[in-house]
Amino acid sequence: QKEVEQNSGPLSVPEGAIASLNCTYSDQGSQSFFWYRQYSGKSPELIMFIYSNGDKEDGRFTAQLNKASQYVSLLIRDSQPSDSATYLCAVNKGDFGNEKLTFGTGTRLTIIP
Amino acid sequence: DTAVSQTPKYLVTQMGNDKSIKCEQNLGHDTMYWYKQDSKKFLKIMFSYNNKELIINETVPNRFSPKSPDKAHLNLHINSLELGDSAVYFCASSQFQGNTEAFFGQGTRLTVV
Repeated sequence: QKEVEQNSGPLSVPEGAIASLNCTYSDQGSQSFFWYRQYSGKSPELIMFIYSNGDKEDGRFTAQLNKASQYVSLLIRDSQPSDSATYLCAVNKGDFGNEKLTFGTGTRLTIIP
Repeated sequence: DTAVSQTPKYLVTQMGNDKSIKCEQNLGHDTMYWYKQDSKKFLKIMFSYNNKELIINETVPNRFSPKSPDKAHLNLHINSLELGDSAVYFCASSQFQGNTEAFFGQGTRLTVV
C-alpha cells in the first residue's frame, strides 16, 4: 500500500462547478496534511494545510480531514480554467525532529470552459 | 525577489560526469530540502538539513552529496551521473524542522545523455 494515495486522473470539471480531490494515507500517526498545486513545468505551490479533523476554508478552497478514515480532501468551488493543474497531497509524518513530507502522485485537474 | 532560487534551471550532461546544483533561500528559514521528481511526477524527499546539519537522508546513492555552508544555502553535488538520474530536482525550505510547510524553488531539470 502506498503511503499517500491519490487518483491520478485526469479529472475534468466544467467551469463554475465544484472540483473534489481526494487523498488517503496509510500512517495513522500522520500529523498534518497539505495540498500543493503544480502547474506544468513549474514548482509545487502550497495552497492549503490542515491539522485538525473537520473543514478548513480559504477563499474558494476547502480542505477536509477525517483522521479516523485516514482521508483528506480538497474542494475547489467555482472552478476556473486557471485551476487546471496537478494537485499534490502531502502528509507530514515522522518522529519529532525527523518530520518529512511524503507526497502522493498527484491528481491532474482540467477545468473545461 | 525570489524566495528559493536554484541554479541552473536546466542541465544536460553526459553519463559519468559530475555536476552540482545550487540553492539559496532568503526567507530566513532554518530547514532546507532536496526533492526529486521523476518522469511520472512523483515527488520524493532526498535530504533535509536543519541549520546546516543533515537531518534526513532517504536512502539516496552516495553519489549524491549535499552540502550546506550556511542555513541559507544547500547545494547538491552528483558524481558519476547515470541515465536514471534524469529528473527535476527541487530545492525547498521551511521555517523550522517540524514545520513542513515547504516553499519550493523553480526546479532544475537534469537530463543525462
